[in-house]
Amino acid sequence: GQQLNQSPQSMFIQEGEDVSMNCTSSSIFNTWLWYKQDPGEGPVLLIALYKAGELTSNGRLTAQFGITRKDSFLNISASIPSDVGIYFCAAGTYKYIFGTGTRLKVLA
Amino acid sequence: GAGVSQSPSNKVTEKGKDVELRCDPISGHTALYWYRQSLGQGLEFLIYFQGNSAPDKSGLPSDRFSAERTGGSVSTLTIQRTQQEDSAVYLCASSLGLGGTYGYTFGSGTRLTVV
Repeated sequence: GQQLNQSPQSMFIQEGEDVSMNCTSSSIFNTWLWYKQDPGEGPVLLIALYKAGELTSNGRLTAQFGITRKDSFLNISASIPSDVGIYFCAAGTYKYIFGTGTRLKVLA
Repeated sequence: GAGVSQSPSNKVTEKGKDVELRCDPISGHTALYWYRQSLGQGLEFLIYFQGNSAPDKSGLPSDRFSAERTGGSVSTLTIQRTQQEDSAVYLCASSLGLGGTYGYTFGSGTRLTVV
Protein backbone atom coordinates (compact mmCIF):
# COMPACT_ATOMS: atom_id res chain seq x y z
CA GLY A 1 0.00 0.00 0.00
CA GLN A 2 0.92 3.64 -0.01
CA GLN A 3 3.39 4.75 2.60
CA LEU A 4 5.49 7.75 3.46
CA ASN A 5 9.15 7.40 4.31
CA GLN A 6 10.08 10.04 6.85
CA SER A 7 13.61 10.82 7.95
CA PRO A 8 15.43 11.12 10.18
CA GLN A 9 13.63 9.02 12.77
CA SER A 10 15.06 11.11 15.57
CA MET A 11 17.54 13.88 16.14
CA PHE A 12 19.21 15.70 18.95
CA ILE A 13 20.20 19.28 18.24
CA GLN A 14 21.53 22.26 20.15
CA GLU A 15 19.29 25.21 20.80
CA GLY A 16 19.70 27.76 18.03
CA GLU A 17 20.52 25.23 15.34
CA ASP A 18 18.48 24.76 12.21
CA VAL A 19 16.64 21.46 11.65
CA SER A 20 15.63 19.75 8.46
CA MET A 21 13.45 16.68 7.95
CA ASN A 22 11.85 15.18 4.89
CA CYS A 23 9.25 12.82 3.61
CA THR A 24 9.20 10.81 0.41
CA SER A 25 6.72 8.57 -1.32
CA SER A 26 6.51 6.42 -4.41
CA SER A 27 3.02 7.83 -5.04
CA ILE A 28 1.89 11.26 -6.17
CA PHE A 29 -0.18 13.32 -3.73
CA ASN A 30 -2.10 16.56 -4.13
CA THR A 31 -1.68 17.79 -0.57
CA TRP A 32 1.15 17.56 1.93
CA LEU A 33 0.75 18.46 5.57
CA TRP A 34 3.15 18.77 8.48
CA TYR A 35 1.99 18.15 12.05
CA LYS A 36 3.61 18.34 15.46
CA GLN A 37 2.58 16.10 18.32
CA ASP A 38 3.35 16.77 21.97
CA PRO A 39 3.16 13.97 24.57
CA GLY A 40 -0.42 13.06 25.44
CA GLU A 41 -1.88 15.30 22.79
CA GLY A 42 -3.21 14.91 19.29
CA PRO A 43 -1.17 16.19 16.34
CA VAL A 44 -1.43 19.90 15.59
CA LEU A 45 -1.25 21.18 12.03
CA LEU A 46 1.83 23.32 11.33
CA ILE A 47 1.83 23.86 7.58
CA ALA A 48 -0.35 22.76 4.65
CA LEU A 49 0.91 22.60 1.06
CA TYR A 50 -1.42 22.36 -1.93
CA LYS A 51 0.66 23.07 -5.02
CA ALA A 52 3.73 21.34 -6.41
CA GLY A 53 6.79 23.52 -5.86
CA GLU A 54 5.01 25.60 -3.22
CA LEU A 55 7.20 26.99 -0.44
CA THR A 56 5.32 28.08 2.67
CA SER A 57 6.48 29.58 5.94
CA ASN A 58 4.91 29.75 9.37
CA GLY A 59 7.16 31.70 11.71
CA ARG A 60 10.43 29.78 12.03
CA LEU A 61 9.02 26.87 10.03
CA THR A 62 9.36 26.51 6.28
CA ALA A 63 8.01 23.64 4.23
CA GLN A 64 8.08 22.81 0.54
CA PHE A 65 5.91 20.63 -1.66
CA GLY A 66 8.24 18.79 -4.02
CA ILE A 67 7.93 19.48 -7.72
CA THR A 68 7.37 15.78 -8.43
CA ARG A 69 4.53 15.74 -5.84
CA LYS A 70 6.23 12.77 -4.22
CA ASP A 71 8.10 14.53 -1.46
CA SER A 72 8.16 17.37 1.02
CA PHE A 73 10.57 18.82 3.54
CA LEU A 74 10.23 20.83 6.72
CA ASN A 75 12.86 23.20 8.06
CA ILE A 76 12.91 24.73 11.53
CA SER A 77 15.24 27.65 11.96
CA ALA A 78 16.91 28.72 15.21
CA SER A 79 15.41 25.89 17.26
CA ILE A 80 14.23 26.50 20.81
CA PRO A 81 13.50 24.00 23.61
CA SER A 82 9.73 24.07 22.99
CA ASP A 83 10.30 22.69 19.48
CA VAL A 84 10.77 19.29 21.10
CA GLY A 85 8.17 16.77 19.99
CA ILE A 86 7.33 14.42 17.17
CA TYR A 87 6.86 15.85 13.70
CA PHE A 88 4.72 13.98 11.19
CA CYS A 89 4.31 14.47 7.50
CA ALA A 90 0.99 13.50 5.96
CA ALA A 91 -0.17 13.32 2.37
CA GLY A 92 -3.42 12.65 0.59
CA THR A 93 -6.62 14.25 -0.53
CA TYR A 94 -9.47 13.51 1.86
CA LYS A 95 -7.81 10.60 3.60
CA TYR A 96 -4.29 11.28 4.71
CA ILE A 97 -1.54 8.76 5.27
CA PHE A 98 1.07 9.67 7.83
CA GLY A 99 4.80 9.17 8.06
CA THR A 100 6.27 7.41 11.09
CA GLY A 101 7.49 10.68 12.56
CA THR A 102 10.70 12.50 13.41
CA ARG A 103 11.35 12.76 17.12
CA LEU A 104 13.12 16.03 17.83
CA LYS A 105 15.01 16.75 21.02
CA VAL A 106 16.52 20.17 21.58
CA LEU A 107 19.40 20.55 24.00
CA ALA A 108 19.48 23.89 25.77
CA GLY B 1 -17.30 22.98 20.97
CA ALA B 2 -14.05 24.82 20.59
CA GLY B 3 -12.05 21.72 19.78
CA VAL B 4 -12.43 18.02 19.11
CA SER B 5 -13.34 16.27 22.34
CA GLN B 6 -12.66 12.59 22.96
CA SER B 7 -13.70 10.43 25.86
CA PRO B 8 -12.56 8.68 27.84
CA SER B 9 -8.98 9.94 27.75
CA ASN B 10 -7.76 6.63 29.12
CA LYS B 11 -9.38 3.22 29.12
CA VAL B 12 -8.06 -0.02 30.57
CA THR B 13 -10.09 -3.07 29.69
CA GLU B 14 -9.80 -6.80 30.01
CA LYS B 15 -9.19 -8.91 26.96
CA GLY B 16 -12.47 -10.04 25.47
CA LYS B 17 -14.53 -7.10 26.69
CA ASP B 18 -16.19 -4.57 24.41
CA VAL B 19 -15.26 -0.88 24.51
CA GLU B 20 -16.82 2.29 23.14
CA LEU B 21 -14.79 5.37 22.34
CA ARG B 22 -16.52 8.67 21.80
CA CYS B 23 -15.66 11.66 19.62
CA ASP B 24 -17.37 15.03 19.66
CA PRO B 25 -16.15 17.02 16.65
CA ILE B 26 -15.93 20.76 16.21
CA SER B 27 -19.38 22.18 15.71
CA GLY B 28 -20.22 22.49 12.03
CA HIS B 29 -17.50 20.12 10.83
CA THR B 30 -19.11 17.70 8.43
CA ALA B 31 -16.19 15.31 8.03
CA LEU B 32 -14.96 13.11 10.89
CA TYR B 33 -12.03 10.70 10.89
CA TRP B 34 -10.74 7.97 13.16
CA TYR B 35 -7.05 7.06 13.29
CA ARG B 36 -5.07 4.67 15.46
CA GLN B 37 -1.57 5.33 16.73
CA SER B 38 0.40 2.44 18.13
CA LEU B 39 3.35 3.09 20.42
CA GLY B 40 6.12 4.87 18.55
CA GLN B 41 4.30 4.62 15.24
CA GLY B 42 2.62 6.96 12.83
CA LEU B 43 -1.10 7.30 12.45
CA GLU B 44 -3.11 4.54 10.81
CA PHE B 45 -6.36 5.52 9.07
CA LEU B 46 -9.41 3.59 10.23
CA ILE B 47 -12.59 5.20 8.87
CA TYR B 48 -14.05 8.53 7.88
CA PHE B 49 -17.57 9.97 7.91
CA GLN B 50 -19.12 12.58 5.68
CA GLY B 51 -22.24 13.53 7.58
CA ASN B 52 -23.63 10.31 8.99
CA SER B 53 -22.40 8.01 6.25
CA ALA B 54 -19.04 6.28 6.08
CA PRO B 55 -17.85 6.11 2.46
CA ASP B 56 -14.49 4.67 3.42
CA LYS B 57 -14.14 2.00 6.09
CA SER B 58 -11.10 0.45 4.49
CA GLY B 59 -8.83 0.96 7.48
CA LEU B 60 -10.89 -0.95 10.02
CA PRO B 61 -8.61 -3.86 11.04
CA SER B 62 -11.31 -6.49 11.48
CA ASP B 63 -15.04 -6.99 11.85
CA ARG B 64 -14.61 -6.49 15.58
CA PHE B 65 -14.29 -2.78 14.82
CA SER B 66 -17.29 -0.65 13.94
CA ALA B 67 -18.17 3.01 14.05
CA GLU B 68 -21.23 5.13 13.73
CA ARG B 69 -22.09 8.78 13.64
CA THR B 70 -25.43 10.25 14.52
CA GLY B 71 -26.91 13.66 13.83
CA GLY B 72 -23.86 14.57 11.82
CA SER B 73 -22.05 15.16 15.07
CA VAL B 74 -20.91 12.68 17.72
CA SER B 75 -19.22 9.48 16.61
CA THR B 76 -18.64 6.25 18.50
CA LEU B 77 -15.94 3.71 17.68
CA THR B 78 -16.75 0.30 19.09
CA ILE B 79 -14.27 -2.53 19.51
CA GLN B 80 -15.79 -5.88 20.35
CA ARG B 81 -13.97 -8.73 22.07
CA THR B 82 -10.85 -6.62 22.55
CA GLN B 83 -7.44 -8.16 22.00
CA GLN B 84 -4.08 -7.04 23.33
CA GLU B 85 -3.02 -5.89 19.87
CA ASP B 86 -5.87 -3.36 19.99
CA SER B 87 -3.91 -1.38 22.61
CA ALA B 88 -3.14 2.00 21.07
CA VAL B 89 -4.13 5.64 21.11
CA TYR B 90 -7.29 6.19 19.10
CA LEU B 91 -7.42 9.66 17.60
CA CYS B 92 -10.43 11.41 16.17
CA ALA B 93 -10.24 14.40 13.84
CA SER B 94 -12.74 16.61 12.11
CA SER B 95 -12.68 19.05 9.22
CA LEU B 96 -15.03 21.59 7.73
CA GLY B 97 -15.28 19.74 4.46
CA LEU B 98 -13.92 16.58 2.95
CA GLY B 99 -10.18 16.67 3.44
CA GLY B 100 -10.37 20.08 5.03
CA THR B 101 -8.86 23.18 3.49
CA TYR B 102 -6.38 23.30 6.34
CA GLY B 103 -6.10 19.60 7.15
CA TYR B 104 -7.76 18.07 10.14
CA THR B 105 -8.12 19.18 13.74
CA PHE B 106 -7.34 16.30 16.07
CA GLY B 107 -8.60 15.52 19.53
CA SER B 108 -6.22 14.45 22.29
CA GLY B 109 -7.07 10.80 21.79
CA THR B 110 -8.20 7.86 23.89
CA ARG B 111 -5.39 5.67 25.17
CA LEU B 112 -6.71 2.11 25.17
CA THR B 113 -4.90 -0.57 27.10
CA VAL B 114 -6.10 -4.15 26.85
CA VAL B 115 -4.81 -6.36 29.65
